Amino acid sequence: SAVISQKPSRDICQRGTSLTIQCQVDSQVTMMFWYRQQPGQSLTLIATANQGSEATYESGFVIDKFPISRPNLTFSTLTVSNMSPEDSSIYLCSVELTQGYGYTFGSGTRLTVV
Amino acid sequence: QKEVEQNSGPLSVPEGAIASLNCTYSDRGSQSFFWYRQYSGKSPELIMSIYSNGDKEDGRFTAQLNKASQYVSLLIRDSQPSDSATYLCAGHPSNTGKLIFGQGTTLQVKP
Repeated sequence: SAVISQKPSRDICQRGTSLTIQCQVDSQVTMMFWYRQQPGQSLTLIATANQGSEATYESGFVIDKFPISRPNLTFSTLTVSNMSPEDSSIYLCSVELTQGYGYTFGSGTRLTVV
Repeated sequence: QKEVEQNSGPLSVPEGAIASLNCTYSDRGSQSFFWYRQYSGKSPELIMSIYSNGDKEDGRFTAQLNKASQYVSLLIRDSQPSDSATYLCAGHPSNTGKLIFGQGTTLQVKP
């Protein structure tokens, strides 16, 4: 099964700034997924990142706020732009283990915006 | 209507009892479902997957799927305090690769 390295593990940021989160997978994967988990809530899908094409965003999430890069089959970044305290959440990247057999998650990035 | 729904709980059971966690989904075309366990401050961990109607057993865990009723459940036998966590049900909407999660059920197993 794939192993995901995600960093940073946590950060405290000033409002109005941006943070880029990196996700590195130890094998090639077609799709990578970015989720947000707000305090006490479940996981909400932000976008799907395919290599070689623009990310597909879910309702309520826009590219200007959450730009995503996917330069190759093992790496992706999510940027949280122009942050506000409402962006304080855990951000997780995820990949499919084997098609149809569930997804595995990175260790998450705990973001606090002050 | 949310695509995947769970009772947020908390569900409290005594040690050694059977814990029953339930999930319903709205998309009849969904084919595969997953149960994840999430300890506080940790990432979700996949514990069970199910694709066909009926039961699937793995150790103390049994997943059940009823596509006619659009219902998925997870049974945990001989519950242990270490099973105390949030359990997340997830499914694939039709013809998509993405995974959609329910709101999660918090399970408390009391010694």
